[in-house]
Amino acid sequence: NAGVTQTPKFRILKIGQSMTLQCAQDMNHNYMYWYRQDPGMGLKLIYYSVGAGITDKGEVPNGYNVSRSTTEDFPLRLELAAPSQTSVYFCASSSTGGTEAFFGQGTRLTVV
Amino acid sequence: ELKVEQNPLFLSMQEGKNYTIYCNYSTTSDRLYWYRQDPGKSLESLFVLLSNGAVKQEGRLMASLDTKARLSTLHITAAVHDLSATYFCAVDENYNTDKLIFGTGTRLQVFP
Repeated sequence: NAGVTQTPKFRILKIGQSMTLQCAQDMNHNYMYWYRQDPGMGLKLIYYSVGAGITDKGEVPNGYNVSRSTTEDFPLRLELAAPSQTSVYFCASSSTGGTEAFFGQGTRLTVV
Repeated sequence: ELKVEQNPLFLSMQEGKNYTIYCNYSTTSDRLYWYRQDPGKSLESLFVLLSNGAVKQEGRLMASLDTKARLSTLHITAAVHDLSATYFCAVDENYNTDKLIFGTGTRLQVFP
């Protein structure tokens, strides 16, 4: 079982570059999320989606964009990378309300 | 805006001892989740608590939820080294979205 798959695992970006973090789940979950975790800190919600075609902002959406064209995929786009976006990014999914969320292995992003 | 606070932030305890981690949150919710994170790893679901008075146990860990006090506890019984990790609680901000807001985490270290 693949679960939630994130790519890439590691990436170094230069300031001003753009990139897309990929997230795919094979559990047919409706809900998907993007979180960032700064060193020694908890997780902050960036964006979330309750189904294909529906997305909404979380706690820290500035500098990011998302789309949800299919149930399986939920990519996160960084348009103009800044050092403040250096973090570990986690994608997660859950089936319905009141159920556990499953997390991907994370993408460690460094912006220099 | 929902705030989730955990204490303590750091906990160093001896094997065989008992201790409790506290999770307080600021707005009404009856969905609370506990996760474990090992260093450099992703998050693993431990407990899902869905109603006032809910209590769940797995091995040496027991979690409870008091929605009236807006408080959840994670009790550790007779700690062992394998429990060393960071523990996060997360609260569902909105009933329909599973929009999880995470606490800052409690870093637990168990020593002989």
